[in-house]
Amino acid sequence: NAGVMQNPRHLVRRRGQEARLRCSPMKGHSHVYWYRQLPEEGLKFMVYLQKENIIDESGMPKERFSAEFPKEGPSILRIQQVVRGDSAAYFCASSNSEKLFFGSGTQLSVL
Amino acid sequence: GQNIDQPTEMTATEGAIVQINCTYQTSGFNGLFWYQQHAGEAPTFLSYNVLDGLEEKGRFSSFLSRSKGYSYLLLKELQMKDSASYLCAVRDRSSGGYNKLIFGAGTRLAVHP
Repeated sequence: NAGVMQNPRHLVRRRGQEARLRCSPMKGHSHVYWYRQLPEEGLKFMVYLQKENIIDESGMPKERFSAEFPKEGPSILRIQQVVRGDSAAYFCASSNSEKLFFGSGTQLSVL
Repeated sequence: GQNIDQPTEMTATEGAIVQINCTYQTSGFNGLFWYQQHAGEAPTFLSYNVLDGLEEKGRFSSFLSRSKGYSYLLLKELQMKDSASYLCAVRDRSSGGYNKLIFGAGTRLAVHP
């Protein structure tokens, strides 16, 4: 039973480019959460999605960031016109109960 | 608002016992979680407490006191592989009942021979 799969593991972008981060939840899970982790800081909630619906995006910046979880395929976190401050580890998690299962994350580096 | 505090770093000796404390403030407590995270890897679930008391699972135990807003994670018979960050997280009812967890900054544990 594969766990939460995220790709790419590492993503390098120049300022102004777009970053697309993908997440496939665990089999049977229909709830996806995205978290961001800066060095020496805790995981910060960004957005919670169910299939085709954004339930809570209160932790996501209003501009440049968007997320989707289509009926078919992985969840996508999209960051447009990246800036250096977007450099962080982005973790996806899925659940069908109390437990959150995390993927290995995507380390985004903005040059 | 919500606030979670835990020590930044701890060190311990292989074979010993270590207790990692976590205090929290939240308006509508609905469960406390502990996760382990090795550098560059995914956080992995360790324990979940929603009622007061001690939950034991092998070498790891977690305690909760809701009246004090306090939890601890107890690691026994420490092994070198236990060197990792330990994340305390709280779920709040204001989140609507789903797993919008609020995480502390984590405690980095170093186990020495």
